[in-house]
Amino acid sequence: LAKTTQPISMDSYEGQEVNITCSHNNIATNDYITWYQQFPSQGPRFIIQGYKTKVTNEVASLFIPADRKSSTLSLPRVSLSDTAVYYCLVYNTNAGKSTFGDGTTLTVKP
Amino acid sequence: NAGVTQTPKFRVLKTGQSMTLLCAQDMNHEYMYWYRQDPGMGLRLIHYSVGEGTTAKGEVPDGYNVSRLKKQNFLLGLESAAPSQTSVYFCASFTGGTGTSGRYEQYFGPGTRLTVT
Repeated sequence: LAKTTQPISMDSYEGQEVNITCSHNNIATNDYITWYQQFPSQGPRFIIQGYKTKVTNEVASLFIPADRKSSTLSLPRVSLSDTAVYYCLVYNTNAGKSTFGDGTTLTVKP
Repeated sequence: NAGVTQTPKFRVLKTGQSMTLLCAQDMNHEYMYWYRQDPGMGLRLIHYSVGEGTTAKGEVPDGYNVSRLKKQNFLLGLESAAPSQTSVYFCASFTGGTGTSGRYEQYFGPGTRLTVT
């Protein structure tokens, strides 16, 4: 399974755009990139997934370059409620499983 | 539609005791997973199942056993608890494909906080 590397922590202010980059150098053809959000004392919650190029949904965008060795989660205009841990996962469709890294703790300040 | 539920929510064990954690899902998902999360760390996969009657080892399977006798239930057993197994345990389920949502999305339960003294 592809191993992922993310920054340990990031700080931002309300209203700013936040970009969190994840490195997954040994990604395979059958791997999809997914991102999850986790609040304290809760299970992670799915945010977005992608295979290549750009994906956008109602809460975030995901940018994946052509070589797919990294991905960037973009959160537009963050608010205090976006303070959480964000995990990048590479899901292998053959193995049916993925590996969580240690995540990025995002702190949004007023 | 309760989603993924976990029983119990909290438990304190003494070293050497045994217990079983129950995960139940009502979404007819094929795949189910057990993770553990230690303080300040990410989730690590213990065991998983890609269908009723099947199980497979994850990253940290030692000291745990699992069973998937019914599609909706995935049980995690600790035969002889050790302090190193103090953690929060999360169960997750997944369709196994993109399903109707088009997403490879795992649905997580609320977690079981286990302390072994």
